[in-house]
Amino acid sequence: NAGVTQTPKFQVLKTGQSMTLQCAQDMNHNSMYWYRQDPGMGLRLIYYSASEGTTDKGEVPNGYNVSRLNKREFSLRLESAAPSQTSVYFCASGPGGPSQFFGPGTRLTVL
Amino acid sequence: KQEVTQIPAALSVPEGENLVLNCSFTDSAIYNLQWFRQDPGKGLTSLLLIQSSQREQTSGRLNASLDKSSGRSTLYIAASQPGDSATYLCAVYTGGFKTIFGAGTRLFVKA
Repeated sequence: NAGVTQTPKFQVLKTGQSMTLQCAQDMNHNSMYWYRQDPGMGLRLIYYSASEGTTDKGEVPNGYNVSRLNKREFSLRLESAAPSQTSVYFCASGPGGPSQFFGPGTRLTVL
Repeated sequence: KQEVTQIPAALSVPEGENLVLNCSFTDSAIYNLQWFRQDPGKGLTSLLLIQSSQREQTSGRLNASLDKSSGRSTLYIAASQPGDSATYLCAVYTGGFKTIFGAGTRLFVKA
């Protein structure tokens, strides 16, 4: 079992470029999440998907879009990257409630 | 708005010392509180989960306590080891898909 996998591990973008962060889980979880982690701050929820076919905004959704491609995969897209989106992005999955399993993260730098 | 604060932000102790990490939250309306461990370049791993009706949970050398009325939790690590070096985060679950994370305490245990 790979658990939660994320690609890429590192990425450098120029302002205005777009990219998609990929996440997949093999635990048959219904719920999936995208968080960002910034220095001195806790993880903040960007978007979540309660089940296949549904997505909802979290605390900091501006500048991002998501797609729940199927039960396994949940992608995060930056349409026009900005320096304020420099962060470490974590994907998580869970059966619902407080239980979440995290991927290793993607470190994104926007110049 | 629920806020989670962790003090200190960083801690360095010699091997073998017992230590306490602190977590406080502003709204006592929580379902449970979790302590996570985060290693550099890796995702979060859940260590202990305390339900709102519980006072403490133990796992090996770790003991977490919860005082919901005062909005406080502590993580006690006995006989610390260099392998305990990591960032420890606490998070409160407030229902639905809302988990609020603290910024973490970075622990370094010196051999």
